Amino acid sequence: DAKTTQPPSMDCAEGRAANLPCNHSTISGNEYVYWYRQIHSQGPQYIIHGLKNNETNEMASLIITEDRKSSTLILPHATLRDTAVYYCIVRVALGSARQLTFGSGTQLTVLP
Amino acid sequence: GAGVSQTPSNKVTEKGKYVELRCDPISGHTALYWYRQSLGQGPEFLIYFQGTGAADDSGLPNDRFFAVRPEGSVSTLKIQRTERGDSAMYLCASSVFGTSGSEQFFGPGTRLTVL
Repeated sequence: DAKTTQPPSMDCAEGRAANLPCNHSTISGNEYVYWYRQIHSQGPQYIIHGLKNNETNEMASLIITEDRKSSTLILPHATLRDTAVYYCIVRVALGSARQLTFGSGTQLTVLP
Repeated sequence: GAGVSQTPSNKVTEKGKYVELRCDPISGHTALYWYRQSLGQGPEFLIYFQGTGAADDSGLPNDRFFAVRPEGSVSTLKIQRTERGDSAMYLCASSVFGTSGSEQFFGPGTRLTVL
């Protein structure tokens, strides 16, 4: 699986959009971009994933660049409960139940 | 429905002792994973089960670690002759094999402390 690079920490004001970047310049054509987050003292939680089109669900939006070498996770209206470590993961999917390879992630702190 | 559960939530043991950590996956999930997370780091893969068999145990650090899933549901991670370096959060996850995206659902973890 391709390696990802994320900033170690970010702050965001409550109610504003949080934009979390991820670089994955060595991504292969059959690899998806996944985002998980881990709130303190809890297990990781799936957020969203995508291949090359932008994706949106009830939690977040995922914007993938046209060359697929980077992506941005957007939390449109961050709340204090969104404070967590956010992990960007690249892996082969579509029926492949392979393990996730976590990096160090980005610690997002939402400030009141 | 119920999520992934893990017991105990905390385990304190002494160096050299044997411990068992239990994972109850989401009903119907055929894939089960164990990860280990040290403080300040992301989770690291240990072992993956597809049904009853260990499909990939490449993440187990040494032969003191062993895991079973005899009936394809509950899994137990077993650690023999524990060492202080085994202290970590042990996370279990499950997923529905074959679904697009193979989203993994994680349990709350077991915090293991080896004194």
